[in-house]
Amino acid sequence: EVQLVESGGGLVQPGGSLKLSCAASGFTFSGSAMHWVRQASGKGLEWVGRIRSKTNNHATEYAAPVKGRFTISRDDSENTAFLQMNNLKTEDTAVYYCTRLAGSSDYGMDVWGQGTTVTVSS
Amino acid sequence: SYELIQPPSVSVSPGQTATITCSGDNLGNKYVCWYQQKPGQSPVLVIYQDTNRPSGIPERFSGSNSGNTATLTISGTQAMDEADYYCQAWDSSTANYVFGTGTKVTVL
Repeated sequence: EVQLVESGGGLVQPGGSLKLSCAASGFTFSGSAMHWVRQASGKGLEWVGRIRSKTNNHATEYAAPVKGRFTISRDDSENTAFLQMNNLKTEDTAVYYCTRLAGSSDYGMDVWGQGTTVTVSS
Repeated sequence: SYELIQPPSVSVSPGQTATITCSGDNLGNKYVCWYQQKPGQSPVLVIYQDTNRPSGIPERFSGSNSGNTATLTISGTQAMDEADYYCQAWDSSTANYVFGTGTKVTVL
């Protein structure tokens, strides 16, 4: 079964750090670009960033609100992607989803995790 | 930054056709995907590359994209189709992915 399972969410104070993990199974993880998408309570989906496959040099891109604060990485030997979040702000409070890009940028995100909740509050 | 605008809500009677629009500058020059999200659940991809349905998505879901507007059409809408729907495109100028503002479909 193709599956993504996020973990690592929790409560953190403003200015703090948190690292999310995304464990993949059931597909060739090393060949897939992995994305993070977040959703604040009652709000829409917001793309956070992505990491491409080794073939594409593990290149990363980030949305403007998180650039310079968040870092996406991956361990292909462990079939796991990570989202390191530093200098967290209250507006980063959201459910964070890990997703797989089905192919090229046109193919959409065809596998989603269940999400992990991040709450930034004092 | 690139924006995709959707109507906040669409209402449809069971068995009728629901039409959800997604507007963006020269959107027809980009590929659009659509996602369905039911309350408390993760999003599900229902259309990719403007018009293609992933395996397992019912034929009543179809898409189109031209000019500045992409459209998701649900023909013969069923109660189970009640959900939030989001369009999404890739902005090559920033290498960023963009989601639309979302549309809540209510089946009355």
